[in-house]
Amino acid sequence: KAGVTQTPRYLIKTRGQQVTLSCSPISGHRSVSWYQQTPGQGLQFLFEYFSETQRNKGNFPGRFSGRQFSNSRSEMNVSTLELGDSALYLCASSLKTGVTDTQYFGPGTRLTVL
Amino acid sequence: GNSVTQMEGPVTLSEEAFLTINCTYTATGYPSLFWYVQYPGEGLQLLLKATKADDKGSNKGFEATYRKETTSFHLEKGSVQVSDSAVYFCALSTSNTGNQFYFGTGTSLTVIP
Repeated sequence: KAGVTQTPRYLIKTRGQQVTLSCSPISGHRSVSWYQQTPGQGLQFLFEYFSETQRNKGNFPGRFSGRQFSNSRSEMNVSTLELGDSALYLCASSLKTGVTDTQYFGPGTRLTVL
Repeated sequence: GNSVTQMEGPVTLSEEAFLTINCTYTATGYPSLFWYVQYPGEGLQLLLKATKADDKGSNKGFEATYRKETTSFHLEKGSVQVSDSAVYFCALSTSNTGNQFYFGTGTSLTVIP
């Protein structure tokens, strides 16, 4: 079974631009969560989607948004990029939501904001 | 609230040495506990997990026991290899938070031959 895939793997953007990252979960998984990983803040939860609905949201500004499609693929968008948005963005998928379930992570998208 | 505290790194060990990485937690609700490993340039891989008190998770020679009385989930391995060099993350999720995981800051391990 294929794992979680994320595209692109690397991105370079400039301040003020916007970016869209994509995540395809493991086949059959309906929950997709997004995390931001930085050296200073570590791994921080952004949001979770299940059946095209946002189920949970972390403490990030409204510039960070996401969506999920009917095939469970998810996209994350960051508008008006800031230097501090440079990070590794990780997507994780799991079978269920609302209960503790193992999350399986993709390789991440490395975003650099210049 | 929910939080995870890991021992500070980096940790450097010689091959075949014994490894312990400490992890303690605070949680509202009843947590499940996880150890993930991250190799350079990659995402996180599940190493092991435990879902209730006194459970022992194990995989690839690594073990961790869920200790409710000490709110701990320390990772151990009896004999490390060079290939174990990576960053290790302790994490929790509770029945209240579902798929929102709380991670520790990570502990970098380097094993030298």
